[in-house]
Amino acid sequence: DAGITQSPRYKITETGRQVTLMCHQTWSHSYMFWYRQDLGHGLRLIYYSAAADITDKGEVPDGYVVSRSKTENFPLTLESATRSQTSVYFCASGLAGGQTGELFFGEGSRLTVL
Amino acid sequence: AQSVTQLGSHLSVSEGALVLLRCNYSSSVPPYLFWYVQYPNQGLQLLLKYTTGATLVKGINGFEAEFKKSETSFHLTKPSAHMSDAAEYFCAVSNFGNEKLTFGTGTRLTIIP
Repeated sequence: DAGITQSPRYKITETGRQVTLMCHQTWSHSYMFWYRQDLGHGLRLIYYSAAADITDKGEVPDGYVVSRSKTENFPLTLESATRSQTSVYFCASGLAGGQTGELFFGEGSRLTVL
Repeated sequence: AQSVTQLGSHLSVSEGALVLLRCNYSSSVPPYLFWYVQYPNQGLQLLLKYTTGATLVKGINGFEAEFKKSETSFHLTKPSAHMSDAAEYFCAVSNFGNEKLTFGTGTRLTIIP
């Protein structure tokens, strides 16, 4: 089906473990984004990508790694999870990013770090 | 740097009453402004946007917003609230040449039957 999908939707892990959240879009959008949503903070940008093999830091990149070898995929890795990374993570894609502001969001991945 | 401020993290209105969600922005260049809505356990979806042209913009589900440069505001309104409007609403800002959106902290709207 066309759209943007995230997996897993729910994940519980332990402090120090590596976790990868997957994001896949079928529209061939150039831009992809990872946000985290926390009470009182709204959505904060972690990393974004303007095209395959081009990534850039957002507002809160520390502790996260991204890659984009293919246009349709944009995985987010927590190299050594911490409790402060407990959050809901949203992936989004768009043709022109902030220049049109039309982003399409996945349903989110809820991560709990014990 | 750009930012948006949403006044009030929670808002409760009665069904049929006016909905007014406030958003003020800060930008050194002409802004692009957006409202997104998030229903429970879902991702965000675009409600409406202002880039250039007419300052009153209409969106889905009967919502509209007006860009007021003098007040640096982009408030979201709906004349008559419906139960299905219960959601969280986010204001966001960008500008020409900017790859990223900056979101506000959100306002959770509750509709009272």
